[in-house]
Amino acid sequence: DIQMTQSPSFLSASVGDRVTITCRTSQSVENLLNWYQQKPGKAPKLLIYEASSLHGGVPSRFSGSGSGTEFTLTISSLQPEDFATYSCQQSYSTLFTFGPGTKVDIK
Amino acid sequence: QVQLQESGPGLVKPSETLSLSCTVSGGSITNTGHYWGWIRQSPGKGLEWIGIVYYNGDSYYNPSLKSRVSISVDTPKNQFSLRLNSVTAADTALYYCAREQKQLAPGAFDSWGQGILVTVSS
Repeated sequence: DIQMTQSPSFLSASVGDRVTITCRTSQSVENLLNWYQQKPGKAPKLLIYEASSLHGGVPSRFSGSGSGTEFTLTISSLQPEDFATYSCQQSYSTLFTFGPGTKVDIK
Repeated sequence: QVQLQESGPGLVKPSETLSLSCTVSGGSITNTGHYWGWIRQSPGKGLEWIGIVYYNGDSYYNPSLKSRVSISVDTPKNQFSLRLNSVTAADTALYYCAREQKQLAPGAFDSWGQGILVTVSS
């Protein structure tokens, strides 16, 4: 299995802050890395696919980068509706795996 | 806009079979551009991929569950289903059905159901 780690696991930030979340994989997944946002009691929402492609309808303040084993999700200016948990997912291997999540909370 | 809705019992006894269905509306399950999958989330934990199925019945499963799981598709009903045998308390989770983008974004799940909580308890 491809193991996923995320850092930090918890992040406290203010509205307007630039936020960066890192996802690392135990082996190269090339660019087959996706990012999701999940709010309490809700299903995950796809934000970014193939490491850097913005899913339709997702605000441009979200961006993704990276390849191989290290990836980042950046929120350029945190908005009130962005307080949520963010998870990465690799789709390189047939066994898809998700990261443990990063909770972004209000400072 | 496609919508997915899970249905099934919220309580299953240990050693029995968990059976869930996902009804797809606003789109056809026979669309060749998509797989249809199940993902679960144990209380307070991360997401775990269970498996996916194509409209023709081709399926792929998480090896850790492979001996107990099957996912099937019912094209006339525009539904797909999950069966998980011999459940234990460790299978207690929120179960999501989701659509995977086979071509535009391979492996990415772009539409999700709201989730259904399944508790395994006697």
